[in-house]
Amino acid sequence: KQEVTQIPAALSVPEGENLVLNCSFTDSAIYNLQWFRQDPGKGLTSLLLIQSSQREQTSGRLNASLDKSSGRSTLYIAASQPGDSATYLCAWGGGADGLTFGKGTHLIIQP
Amino acid sequence: KAGVTQTPRYLIKTRGQQVTLSCSPISGHRSVSWYQQTPGQGLQFLFEYFSETQRNKGNFPGRFSGRQFSNSRSEMNVSTLELGDSALYLCASSPLSGRAGEQFFGPGTRLTVL
Repeated sequence: KQEVTQIPAALSVPEGENLVLNCSFTDSAIYNLQWFRQDPGKGLTSLLLIQSSQREQTSGRLNASLDKSSGRSTLYIAASQPGDSATYLCAWGGGADGLTFGKGTHLIIQP
Repeated sequence: KAGVTQTPRYLIKTRGQQVTLSCSPISGHRSVSWYQQTPGQGLQFLFEYFSETQRNKGNFPGRFSGRQFSNSRSEMNVSTLELGDSALYLCASSPLSGRAGEQFFGPGTRLTVL
């Protein structure tokens, strides 16, 4: 059974810092890895999708990498802003098998 | 292009009742998945539909069911509601049938069972 673990569970940093969120998974089968953001009481916003044949994806201040051999993905956020405060979720899988989610990292950026 | 829409956004029911939630995927998306989110269990996969066929179901009791229509819209039904069914129910759509598809989520339906 696929398991996805996110570390840390919570993080509070001052504005402007660069930070790294970690995600590890137990099954390195050919799947996608997707990073999401969730604001309180809201749905999920897709941030980055790394397909199984890719190693990283970038969007603006966000960069996500995937290392299937070690079962790890990292989300790098550059120059953090208060608006980045949210819960960040990584998920492995897709299609008919659905996504397996980690518990998330609750991020607070202090102004 | 309009995103994934879910109705209703909020719902309050009592134990023993049944409920139907609706999801309209992004235009052109044929795969629809449903997830349950609770503080204790996090996000859990309920089921996935493609071309009106349920292809997979997560580890949920038979009280949870769903269907997909020819226009790709999907509904999920929960019968004989229990207090533990209180959750945020999220629907996601994907443009591809295989595993390569990025999933796009709706805003969710917040179900409270009293």
